[in-house]
Amino acid sequence: EAGVTQSPTHLIKTRGQQATLRCSPISGHTSVYWYQQALGLGLQFLLWYDEGEERNRGNFPPRFSGRQFPNYSSELNVNALELEDSALYLCASRGVSKNIQYFGAGTRLSVL
Amino acid sequence: AQKVTQAQTEISVVEKEDVTLDCVYETRDTTYYLFWYKQPPSGELVFLIRRNSFDEQNEISGRYSWNFQKSTSSFNFTITASQVVDSAVYFCALSEARGGGADGLTFGKGTHLIIQP
Repeated sequence: EAGVTQSPTHLIKTRGQQATLRCSPISGHTSVYWYQQALGLGLQFLLWYDEGEERNRGNFPPRFSGRQFPNYSSELNVNALELEDSALYLCASRGVSKNIQYFGAGTRLSVL
Repeated sequence: AQKVTQAQTEISVVEKEDVTLDCVYETRDTTYYLFWYKQPPSGELVFLIRRNSFDEQNEISGRYSWNFQKSTSSFNFTITASQVVDSAVYFCALSEARGGGADGLTFGKGTHLIIQP
């Protein structure tokens, strides 16, 4: 069974640009979570999508947004990139019956 | 608000030694889940264990064991006879059961475990 997959592995952007990160959940999982892991800030909850809807977001500005598609894959968009957005972005998926989040390998975003 | 504290930033031991990673949590919820994840240099968070707040039984899985004590709000992780492959950053995390995980996982800052050959 395939795990959570994220693309791209690495992404380099300049300040002010937009970044799009993608996540495919484990087959059968309907919930997708996004987390940011920035140096010195630890792992922070960004967004939660379930059944195609945004259910909750963490303490991040509106320029962090995303969506979940009918096949439950998800996209994270970061607009007007700032230097401090440089981080590892991790996606996790969760099934209906078990409260366990399984993570992908992440996308490392570098903003120059 | 929920909080997870991993006071040990970095631990270095020699192979075959036993090592315990500490985790202390705070929550106002009566029903919650506790987790441990391992993050090797590749970056992926690997799920190790989930513990329900109603289940205080300790658990052993091979060389890994977990000690959950609700009275002290602690969920410690012990590796017996450590191996070089255990080197990684280990995260303790908390999730409320109410709301279906709406707030995501609250993570500690992680403990960087170095196993020297």
